[in-house]
Amino acid sequence: AQSVTQLGSHVSVSEGALVLLRCNYSSSVPPYLFWYVQYPNQGLQLLLKYTTGATLVKGINGFEAEFKKSETSFHLTKPSAHMSDAAEYFCAVSPSNTGKLIFGQGTTLQVKP
Amino acid sequence: NAGVTQTPKFQVLKTGQSMTLQCAQDMNHEYMSWYRQDPGMGLRLIHYSVGAGITDQGEVPNGYNVSRSTTEDFPLRLLSAAPSQTSVYFCASSQWYLAGPRDGELFFGEGSRLTVL
Repeated sequence: AQSVTQLGSHVSVSEGALVLLRCNYSSSVPPYLFWYVQYPNQGLQLLLKYTTGATLVKGINGFEAEFKKSETSFHLTKPSAHMSDAAEYFCAVSPSNTGKLIFGQGTTLQVKP
Repeated sequence: NAGVTQTPKFQVLKTGQSMTLQCAQDMNHEYMSWYRQDPGMGLRLIHYSVGAGITDQGEVPNGYNVSRSTTEDFPLRLLSAAPSQTSVYFCASSQWYLAGPRDGELFFGEGSRLTVL
């Protein structure tokens, strides 16, 4: 069975500081991995995804994530936080070729001026 | 381009009542799914469908029913509402194929907030 654990339900950073949101997954087959962002009272939007190939994935809004199979991790980073990055972020895993996404519990990112 | 449309956006029910949450997509996506979002629990998959006439259970299917008669529509039925079903419900679609993913991106509706008293 697949599962996702996001370490830290709330992360607070200062504007301009590094953003690091942690995600560890469990999957019995090669996983597809995703990060989604949810702004207040909205649905989720895709930030980036890893399916195959290059393990460093670049997404929208300056975010990137690295797939590390040995650590079963897919942490999300951004070099410099912006006030508009304040939102809830979800990591998700899907066993390849199924379409089912299993989401983590979510991490709320607060950006302080 | 409407994307994924959910109705209603808000609904209040009494315990034991039934209702249907509607979901429609105009992107010709084969894959559609329903999630519920609860604080601290992320999104949990209720039911999903990989094409018209094909549905399957997700993580938390009890108390919900689905059908997929067309590619566009994927309604979620609450058979006898319970307070534990108070939640925000999201419908999502994507262009997954059984033979291999064409695109892994889920497109979400704006959500339906349901309160069961």
